Amino acid sequence: DIQMTQSPPSLSASVGDRVTITCRASHNISIKLNWYQHKPGKGPKVLIYAASTLQSGVPSRFSGGGSGTDFTLTISNLQPEDFATYFCQQSYSTPQYTFGQGTKLEIK
Amino acid sequence: EVQLVQSGAEVKKPGESLKISCKASGYSFPTSWIGWVRQVPGKGLEWMGIIYPADSETRYSPSFQGQVTISVDKSISTAYLHWSSLKASDTAMYYCARRLERITIFGDITRWFDPWGQGTQVTVSP
Repeated sequence: DIQMTQSPPSLSASVGDRVTITCRASHNISIKLNWYQHKPGKGPKVLIYAASTLQSGVPSRFSGGGSGTDFTLTISNLQPEDFATYFCQQSYSTPQYTFGQGTKLEIK
Repeated sequence: EVQLVQSGAEVKKPGESLKISCKASGYSFPTSWIGWVRQVPGKGLEWMGIIYPADSETRYSPSFQGQVTISVDKSISTAYLHWSSLKASDTAMYYCARRLERITIFGDITRWFDPWGQGTQVTVSP
């Protein structure tokens, strides 16, 4: 199984800040890495797929990078609606689409 | 609008059976895989399994093989997650999600999930 390690587990930031969340895969997964935003009471929402491709309709302040085993999600100019939990997911080893443990982004 | 709408919260006793549903609309249901994900309270997301509605081909995560059954009814564009005998440890939120895919710059296929259902809370308690 491919293990996904996400850091940090939680993060405090202010509106207007720039934050970066990292995700490390236990094996080379090429660019087969997705990022999701999850808010209480709702299903997760895809932000980025294939490591750096922005899903249609997602604001450009979200960006993704990396390949192989190390990946990042960066949110620039944080907005109030961005405070949520973020998950990475690998799609290299199908059908075991394993997730990172999540990063909870809170308002400072 | 493409959406997945899940059935409502359930409270059951250990040993009881349960089937929860995920109704799709706004796209061709048979031709997109549908997956199921579990979230235990305070924990992350766990991948359970996936089904192709056109022919009901199903693939399970080893952790969930034999513990649940995934099925579909194409006539009503609905996917299901079924337990024959619930345990307290099945208490969780369950999500369905549609799988999408495309060819990467390297010529292979990458996959992601969109949209997701709103979730179904399952509580198993004596």
